[in-house]
Amino acid sequence: DIQMTQSPSTLSASVGDRVSITCRASQSISAWVAWYQQKPGTAPKLLIYKASTLESGVPSRFSGSGFGTEFTLTINSLQPDDFATYYCQQYKTYFTFGGGTKVEIK
Amino acid sequence: QVHLVQSGADLKKPGASVKVSCKTSGYSFTAYYLHWVRQAPGQGFERLGWINPNSGVTNSAPSFEGRVTMTRDTSIDTVYIELSGLTSADTAVYYCARGREKGSPAYLDYWGQGSLVTVSS
Repeated sequence: DIQMTQSPSTLSASVGDRVSITCRASQSISAWVAWYQQKPGTAPKLLIYKASTLESGVPSRFSGSGFGTEFTLTINSLQPDDFATYYCQQYKTYFTFGGGTKVEIK
Repeated sequence: QVHLVQSGADLKKPGASVKVSCKTSGYSFTAYYLHWVRQAPGQGFERLGWINPNSGVTNSAPSFEGRVTMTRDTSIDTVYIELSGLTSADTAVYYCARGREKGSPAYLDYWGQGSLVTVSS
């Protein structure tokens, strides 16, 4: 299986901050990466697919980048609704998820 | 709108089986694969497998082969997953999710609300 290593596992930030989360794949996966947001007790929500394509309805402060083995999710001007856990997912071969990054209030 | 609605929470004893349903609406049921994923308490996600609702063909993750059965009922646009030989390690929230791309692999654009399965004696 392709492993996805996500960092950091926890990130403390304030409203208005710009934050970045990184995901590294154990082998090249082209741009076959998606990012999800999950809040406690709810299902994940798709934010980005194909590394950088914003899902319809997702605010433009979310962006994704990367190719090959290193990928980044960036949130510009963090909003109160953005405090959540974020997961990357590769879908080049079946799919596997990263371990998650909890974005918490500083 | 697309909706995936799952069955409710379940409590099972070790060694038993559990069956979770996922009723879909708002799109053509046979046009997209449905995937099953679970999340143990405080943990990340683990893939269980997928079903092609059009053909009924399934694929299980290697770690679940022999223990998981996925089926569908096209008359009611519903898929099911049954997991046998339950242990406490199977305690988790089980999700169904639609794969956006036709076939597998895929990213998951719509998710059910999750079904908590607790395994305890």
